[in-house]
Amino acid sequence: EVVLTQSPATLSLSPGERATLSCRASQSISNYLAWYQQKPGQAPRLLIYESSKRATGIPARFSGSGSGTDFSLTISSLEPEDFAMYYCQQCSIWPPFTFGPGTKVDMK
Amino acid sequence: QVQLVESGGGLVKPGGSLRLSCAASGFRLSDYYMSWIRQTPERGLEWVSYISSSGSLIFYADSVRGRFTISRDNAKNSLYLQMNSLRAEDTAFYYCARDLRPMSREGWFDPWGQGTLITVSS
Repeated sequence: EVVLTQSPATLSLSPGERATLSCRASQSISNYLAWYQQKPGQAPRLLIYESSKRATGIPARFSGSGSGTDFSLTISSLEPEDFAMYYCQQCSIWPPFTFGPGTKVDMK
Repeated sequence: QVQLVESGGGLVKPGGSLRLSCAASGFRLSDYYMSWIRQTPERGLEWVSYISSSGSLIFYADSVRGRFTISRDNAKNSLYLQMNSLRAEDTAFYYCARDLRPMSREGWFDPWGQGTLITVSS
């Protein structure tokens, strides 16, 4: 099973700042990585798939990069609505599909 | 508007059974692979099961294999999860989710339903 680890667990930033979230896979997953955003009381929402492709309707301030075992999600300038939990997920080696434990982006 | 709506959650005793439903609208269910995914504060997001567009290919997480059964009725635009021999550790929010692209087996989940809560407790 591919284990995903995310860092940091919590990122405390202010609106307008740049956020960089990391996801590391326990073995190479090529570019088969997605990022999801989840707000309290809501279901996760796909932001990025295939490591760097933005899903429909996702603002350009969200970008993803990486391949192999190391990936990152960058939010270039945080908007108030971006404070949320972020999860990575792999679909390279499955079953099972696996998710990371999440990074909370909260307001400083 | 693409939408998934789960139903069937509730409180059930250990060893009991429950059937979840997921009603799809705004797209042709028969074109998409579908999943069930669950979430708890302790274990986070956990993929449960995956079914092909026709229902001929099915995959399960080890933790539920032999106890849960995924199925679909494309004519009714519905996905199901039959859960038997429920355990306390099955307590979670359960989401149905669609694959991102039609006619492909990829595992990018978009969109998700709003979720339904299953509580297994005596």
